[in-house]
Amino acid sequence: GAVVSQHPSWVICKSGTSVKIECRSLDFQATTMFWYRQFPKQSLMLMATSNEGSKATYEQGVEKDKFLINHASLTLSTLTVTSAHPEDSSFYICSARDWGEAFFGQGTRLTVV
Amino acid sequence: GESVGLHLPTLSVQEGDNSIINCAYSNSASDYFIWYKQESGKGPQFIIDIRSNMDKRQGQRVTVLLNKTVKHLSLQIAATQPGDSAVYFCAELMRSQGNLIFGKGTKLSVKP
Repeated sequence: GAVVSQHPSWVICKSGTSVKIECRSLDFQATTMFWYRQFPKQSLMLMATSNEGSKATYEQGVEKDKFLINHASLTLSTLTVTSAHPEDSSFYICSARDWGEAFFGQGTRLTVV
Repeated sequence: GESVGLHLPTLSVQEGDNSIINCAYSNSASDYFIWYKQESGKGPQFIIDIRSNMDKRQGQRVTVLLNKTVKHLSLQIAATQPGDSAVYFCAELMRSQGNLIFGKGTKLSVKP
């Protein structure tokens, strides 16, 4: 099946710094990618929908200036957590759909200290 | 608002037994449902899906049942193995919207 690669798999950063997470569709083109956040023992919550060549659509309560999304090509979307704080520590997961089926990246464990 | 939820947060079964994980959904417009397995520290892994025009679909050791009358979805795992231990999520999709809405998750523990 289709593969979605997410990098890095884990990152530790200092409070106030920015972190970029990459999501790549390896064997298909994804005009739309989705970014989810998952806190411990909770479900995945959609943060934003990333559309190639246009602005991302953010879910209610998600700050677009803090979570910058760039979908510059059909195979790459990036999520940048700007001025990260400890409360941003979470598991971030991207997803891309290929002919209806959704494929997920491995996830990125972000820890802000 | 509309959401997907689960009846049981945890499920413990004996190795070799069958497991049943349940899910309730409230959006009658959803037309596609997926079950995912998530192991610790990893992203969700596709298990099986079902479209709203079906009420049952079988895979290898897994069966998904859809009851649109009561908006209920279930995942049956036959002969549960230790490797099945994980958190299972149901997700619904409205094809016109594109994004998945996830349920709360059920943690399945398999005792040897």
